[in-house]
Amino acid sequence: GEDVEQSLFLSVREGDSSVINCTYTDSSSTYLYWYKQEPGAGLQLLTYIFSNMDMKQDQRLTVLLNKKDKHLSLRIADTQTGDSAIYFCAESLISGYSTLTFGKGTMLLVSP
Amino acid sequence: DAMVIQNPRYQVTQFGKPVTLSCSQTLNHNVMYWYQQKSSQAPKLLFHYYDKDFNNEADTPDNFQSRRPNTSFCFLDIRSPGLGDAAMYLCATSRLGEFEAFFGQGTRLTVV
Repeated sequence: GEDVEQSLFLSVREGDSSVINCTYTDSSSTYLYWYKQEPGAGLQLLTYIFSNMDMKQDQRLTVLLNKKDKHLSLRIADTQTGDSAIYFCAESLISGYSTLTFGKGTMLLVSP
Repeated sequence: DAMVIQNPRYQVTQFGKPVTLSCSQTLNHNVMYWYQQKSSQAPKLLFHYYDKDFNNEADTPDNFQSRRPNTSFCFLDIRSPGLGDAAMYLCATSRLGEFEAFFGQGTRLTVV
């Protein structure tokens, strides 16, 4: 079955690193994603990783994928107050489509 | 700028009164999606279209229907809204075979 789990809340200080974790259950996922949602806004794609990769780095963002444990993480280096938002982990099961199964989201609060 | 536009941003409807939410896109993407996001929950896929081919998720309530009259527009019809249908409704588009979906800002539906 499809299920994506995330911790609900993370609080960090500005300048620290943030690590948001996610577990998923379906090993046939093709792509795994991290989306960001600011208050009142839609979902913005932050980064993604293909299921045959185990790491991807994109500026301040590092995604780690452990397929054996079905664990995905997002590390944000040098976290800024503007990074405060809800972060959603999502998996795509159907190749070619963005028919996404989302987690409930992790609220990241960055304090000055 | 090319984008996904949802109108209106906020919609209030009466219990049992049919309501239609709209989505338009200037990206010329061939796949469109409707997601429902209830408060503090994960966005959940309701439908998706590849061109005019309609795909209904198995657990999407019969009360929800969708129309896609052309590439640019997609509508979500809720025949008899109940209090439990209050949510943010997110429209997204993608090009078949590409990994990224583009989301609109959502329509927040209130049922009174």
